[in-house]
Amino acid sequence: KAGVTQTPRYLIKTRGQQVTLSCSPISGHRSVSWYQQTPGQGLQFLFEYFSETQRNKGNFPGRFSGRQFSNSRSEMNVSTLELGDSALYLCASSSDDRVNIQYFGAGTRLSVL
Amino acid sequence: AQSVTQPDIHITVSEGASLELRCNYSYGATPYLFWYVQSPGQGLQLLLKYFSGDTLVQGIKGFEAEFKRSQSSFNLRKPSVHWSDAAEYFCAVGAVYGNKLVFGAGTILRVKS
Repeated sequence: KAGVTQTPRYLIKTRGQQVTLSCSPISGHRSVSWYQQTPGQGLQFLFEYFSETQRNKGNFPGRFSGRQFSNSRSEMNVSTLELGDSALYLCASSSDDRVNIQYFGAGTRLSVL
Repeated sequence: AQSVTQPDIHITVSEGASLELRCNYSYGATPYLFWYVQSPGQGLQLLLKYFSGDTLVQGIKGFEAEFKRSQSSFNLRKPSVHWSDAAEYFCAVGAVYGNKLVFGAGTILRVKS
């Protein structure tokens, strides 16, 4: 099976712009979670989507949003970018059975200038 | 609220020496516990997990971890470290429902020859 695929791998944006990141989960997985990784704050949970519905949400401002499509692919959007949004954004998918293991993609490195 | 503490930010060991990375968690119920490894610029790879049952769990790459409820710990061990083990290691705790992981700050492992 193919793993979790995130595109693009690298992005450079300027303050005030918006950005969309994409995540394709492992085939058959219905849960997709997003995490932000920064040197200062570490790994922080953004949100989780399951069957096209947001099921869990972390403590991030409303500028961070996401959605999931019927094929379980997910997108994350950040509007009005700030310098502090520079981070590695990781996507993880899970089959959401009892085992509950999350498999991570390689991430998208976002740099905000 | 869930929390994870990894008290060691950096650890340096000699190749062939044994390794123990510490992890303490805070969670009100029986936790789901994980260890992930991250190489520079990459996503997270699952090393091992604990859900229930035997408190000593085996993982990939020769790693093992022991769950000690009385100490709220889930320390990662390896009897003989290889240079390729140099990476950052994250301990995480997950809830029974939903796919939100809370991560520790990570421990950077350096291996000297």
